[in-house]
Amino acid sequence: EVQMLQSGGGLVQPGGSLRLSCEVSGFIFTSYAMTWVRQAPGERLEWVSGISHSGATIFYADSVKGRFTISRDNSKRTLYLQMDNLTADDTAVYFCAKGDRSVAAYFFDSWGQGSLVTVSS
Amino acid sequence: EIVMTQSPATLSVSPGEGVTLSCRASQPVNSNLAWYQQKPGQAPRLLIYAASTRASGVPARFSGSGSGTEFTLTISSLQSADFAVYYCQQYDHWPPAHTFGQGTKLEIK
Repeated sequence: EVQMLQSGGGLVQPGGSLRLSCEVSGFIFTSYAMTWVRQAPGERLEWVSGISHSGATIFYADSVKGRFTISRDNSKRTLYLQMDNLTADDTAVYFCAKGDRSVAAYFFDSWGQGSLVTVSS
Repeated sequence: EIVMTQSPATLSVSPGEGVTLSCRASQPVNSNLAWYQQKPGQAPRLLIYAASTRASGVPARFSGSGSGTEFTLTISSLQSADFAVYYCQQYDHWPPAHTFGQGTKLEIK
């Protein structure tokens, strides 16, 4: 059974930083691309960032480029999202998700439970 | 950027009835479209990919169709577990970004 356990959300002030983690089990982590998707309150899903199985290929949405960093530690079966210079617009529930292939995942077949990130003073 | 538009925003349906949800792409996306189901407080769940292929474990009452710019998700004989928000997602014009529709909320009539 695929399990994806997220941690690291919380309340942070504008301009602050936060790191999300997503520890997975139940599938061969090193074979699949991973992604982060967020959902602001009452809004649609928004793709944030994706990383290939090896970590060599990375993509970002324009809205987070230069502020967020995606990474993975395959030895720990863990995906990360480092979020810097946060603004109120980054307030959302962040989901990690497993891609359908090793590079440039097309769709997402397993999801974490979500981590709430609130940016407010 | 491709814009995905879903209609209607909300659909009120009685259990046991069938329903069809629509998703339109601002540019053709071939058959590179997925559907997800999301219940309150939960993560999305993949239902359909490649416009019409059911994901593992998805009941046969869910079916997808379409190509190009017009897509539909049909649920036959609605069950209580099916009342949720449904999102479409295109992956044809990727990279640079995946794009999702704004969702259709299926509520009990």
